[in-house]
Amino acid sequence: DIVLTQIPLFLSVTPGQPASISCRSSQSLLHSDGKTYLYWYLQKPGQSPQLLIYEVSNRFSGVPDRFSGSGSGTHFTLKISRVEAEDVGVYYCMQSIQLLTFGGGTKVEIK
Amino acid sequence: EVQLVESGGGLVQPGGSLRLSCAASGFTFSSHAIHWVRQAPGKGLQHVSAISSNGRNTYSADSVKGRFTISRDNSKNTLYLQIGSLRAEDTAVYYCARGYDSSGLIDYWGQGTLVTVSS
Repeated sequence: DIVLTQIPLFLSVTPGQPASISCRSSQSLLHSDGKTYLYWYLQKPGQSPQLLIYEVSNRFSGVPDRFSGSGSGTHFTLKISRVEAEDVGVYYCMQSIQLLTFGGGTKVEIK
Repeated sequence: EVQLVESGGGLVQPGGSLRLSCAASGFTFSSHAIHWVRQAPGKGLQHVSAISSNGRNTYSADSVKGRFTISRDNSKNTLYLQIGSLRAEDTAVYYCARGYDSSGLIDYWGQGTLVTVSS
């Protein structure tokens, strides 16, 4: 199984400051079709997960442009340019090139 | 608006069974694969099961294979998960989630239903 490792596990951010979360995969997520099947989700407190980013860097409908994704192969990053109070929660990366697996999550709180 | 509403969770004794349901609306249900993802209390997300749009192809994680059965009724826009031989480690919130296409992308999630396995 593909293992996704997220760093850090916990992030405390001052509003308006940037934040960055890393997701490393045990295998390349680049498919022979040229697409990379890595996604980012945010689970706000008491809610179900919501899709933020698909195929590494594409923002889902309605996702603010302060969220961006980058990376390739086995190394990926989610960046929040200016953290807002509503961004608190647990962020998960997920891959779908081989079944579906999730990273362990990164909890983001506001200082 | 895409909506997925789970039901059927509850308290069940070890070895018992339940049937979870997921009622879908706001999209063409028969055109999408659907997944079950669970989350144990205070833990991360685990993909449990999936079913293709026409119901012919299914997947179950090794940890639930032989105990959980996924099915769907496209005429009722409803997904099911029959869970049996339950263990304490099956205690979790069970989410149904829509597959966007064949890539495995999950774009919408339900609010979840809690299954508690305890004597």
